Amino acid sequence: DTEVTQTPKHLVMGMTNKKSLKCEQHMGHRAMYWYKQKAKKPPELMFVYSYEKLSINESVPSRFSPECPNSSLLNLHLHALQPEDSALYLCASSPWGAGNTIYFGEGSWLTVV
Amino acid sequence: AQSVSQHNHHVILSEAASLELGCNYSYGGTVNLFWYVQYPGQHLQLLLKYFSGDPLVKGIKGFEAEFIKSKFSFNLRKPSVQWSDTAEYFCAVNRNAGNMLTFGGGTRLMVKP
Repeated sequence: DTEVTQTPKHLVMGMTNKKSLKCEQHMGHRAMYWYKQKAKKPPELMFVYSYEKLSINESVPSRFSPECPNSSLLNLHLHALQPEDSALYLCASSPWGAGNTIYFGEGSWLTVV
Repeated sequence: AQSVSQHNHHVILSEAASLELGCNYSYGGTVNLFWYVQYPGQHLQLLLKYFSGDPLVKGIKGFEAEFIKSKFSFNLRKPSVQWSDTAEYFCAVNRNAGNMLTFGGGTRLMVKP
């Protein structure tokens, strides 16, 4: 079982809704990530948090808003999404630094209608 | 731009056959290399990784990979596959100093019993 927990596992939202995806890890990792994975495609990096500070934003549209309230939690706030944003959203964590293993959660399946 | 290529998109093997999945990357600096596996309906799991030392690395479940720097390759091998190896396999490369993984396109392996 993964030690990165994501909720909800499935989410269906309308284009005018506001929702949030949540992620939690208790491995003491100080790097946390959001990835997006479309069907039959590899994961694509969206955001990286290092020591609770946003360090990387891979030109993600502002309708996705990440938040890291503390070292164990990572949220992804969603607003005014488009149907093409439907995907599996993966949270991950790792110790900070090159060469460390990144641990992935099971993901949240998002459908925008 | 840095990229990771997996040339085999779909592979079908019979049980006990040998497996080799190709991975090439385009990056001139020091790299850290990973193979992740995603079983149907499950999260991404690390199979093995390389960041220094012996270029032949052994991972879980009988998998191994060889880093050949001159060929910019990190191919995954297993001498005898099992039906339970049916999954999608992703090669990934560390970029920059942190843990920002760039994934290859994935190889979908089906093992026939």
